[in-house]
Amino acid sequence: EAGVAQSPRYKIIEKRQSVAFWCNPISGHATLYWYQQILGQGPKLLIQFQNNGVVDDSQLPKDRFSAERLKGVDSTLKIQPAKLEDSAVYLCASSLDSPGRRSTSYEQYFGPGTRLTVT
Amino acid sequence: DAKTTQPTSMDCAEGRAANLPCNHSTISGNEYVYWYRQIHSQGPQYIIHGLKNNETNEMASLIITEDRKSSTLILPHATLRDTAVYYCIVRVRRSNDYKLSFGAGTTVTVRA
Repeated sequence: EAGVAQSPRYKIIEKRQSVAFWCNPISGHATLYWYQQILGQGPKLLIQFQNNGVVDDSQLPKDRFSAERLKGVDSTLKIQPAKLEDSAVYLCASSLDSPGRRSTSYEQYFGPGTRLTVT
Repeated sequence: DAKTTQPTSMDCAEGRAANLPCNHSTISGNEYVYWYRQIHSQGPQYIIHGLKNNETNEMASLIITEDRKSSTLILPHATLRDTAVYYCIVRVRRSNDYKLSFGAGTTVTVRA
């Protein structure tokens, strides 16, 4: 089974520039997540999609961050304009859980992440 | 949301059992305890989860106290490849969706 794919793996930009990250979840996974992981901290959820709808974006800085999941498969996370404090690893994860499906297992599969450095 | 408390770091000798503690004194009756780990430069990886009973799989064992206020992840025979940050997470339930909130975790270093 192919895992969660992310690209690029590394990105260096200057502050005030724009950047986009791409994620391809595991085939058939209804739920997709974007996390931000600052060095030395655990991942923080930015946004969660169920199919192509947003379930939770309460931690997403909406003045500069946006995300979409067209057709309920691939997803893109964009930052515009970037700030120095956006330097972090951006992780994408997916899981089988979907609305109405009662599951006792909530295994999220993570991609390798994109390391963003804002200078 | 129940919070977890883990030691910042711990060392373990290769081939010995590694016992990783986690406190979750405010856990609710329907909240599960999950463990993930993150090897350097990789995304987190699911290890195991449990509700009340002890659980075991090919990677680890999870021991949950009877009052459910704490748990221990056991890596039975630690190898150098087990060096990672280990996260103890209590699953938050929100409608039909489930959210995982990661803390800082325990940095485990397995030494030869």
